[in-house]
Amino acid sequence: DAGITQSPRHKVTETGTPVTLRCHQTENHRYMYWYRQDPGHGLRLIHYSYGVKDTDKGEVSDGYSVSRSKTEDFLLTLESATSSQTSVYFCAISESVGTDTQYFGPGTRLTVL
Amino acid sequence: SQQGEEDPQALSIQEGENATMNCSYKTSINNLQWYRQNSGRGLVHLILIRSNEREKHSGRLRVTLDTSKKSSSLLITASRAADTASYFCARGEDAGGTSYGKLTFGQGTILTVHP
Repeated sequence: DAGITQSPRHKVTETGTPVTLRCHQTENHRYMYWYRQDPGHGLRLIHYSYGVKDTDKGEVSDGYSVSRSKTEDFLLTLESATSSQTSVYFCAISESVGTDTQYFGPGTRLTVL
Repeated sequence: SQQGEEDPQALSIQEGENATMNCSYKTSINNLQWYRQNSGRGLVHLILIRSNEREKHSGRLRVTLDTSKKSSSLLITASRAADTASYFCARGEDAGGTSYGKLTFGQGTILTVHP
């Protein structure tokens, strides 16, 4: 497995609370991505990063923000969690645009009550 | 939505049989990829086929791409119980060469291989 870890692996929180998910990589890959996976929707891109401090929105970015201050860490923040954000969140990394293969972390299961 | 469409949504076969999964898409692509996901795990990359390629092989996997029909298929030959998983196609964007590697995933095919 590529060196990608996600923390926490499971989290239960209440509506309105802030939540931060962390993705950490040891591969020194430039590109990092956050997806959410829901039944009937497959994987949908939330935000991605193409370098330190360089991020952009994906398909379903509303209610989420990200930060990348170091190559190895990509943080996903839910400023005020809602029940619709209950999902499994996956981080992925990619070495280069030309390669385009993405390597996925183990996922974080988030439940918002 | 620009997500790929996968067909069938679920496939149940016996060990030793071949499994074919199809993926269709709507916009032009740089590449098309297939991923596998075991229950409760992250996705694992299987194979990538570029828009100028028509067929690619990797072990028991065969992928075809028809850009005129905007479709791809994944064939798993001589299936095993361990092949039981969800399989996703992912479309790599064609954005003038600066796609930043973004992928758009289909909803997946659930493959069950019975021993």
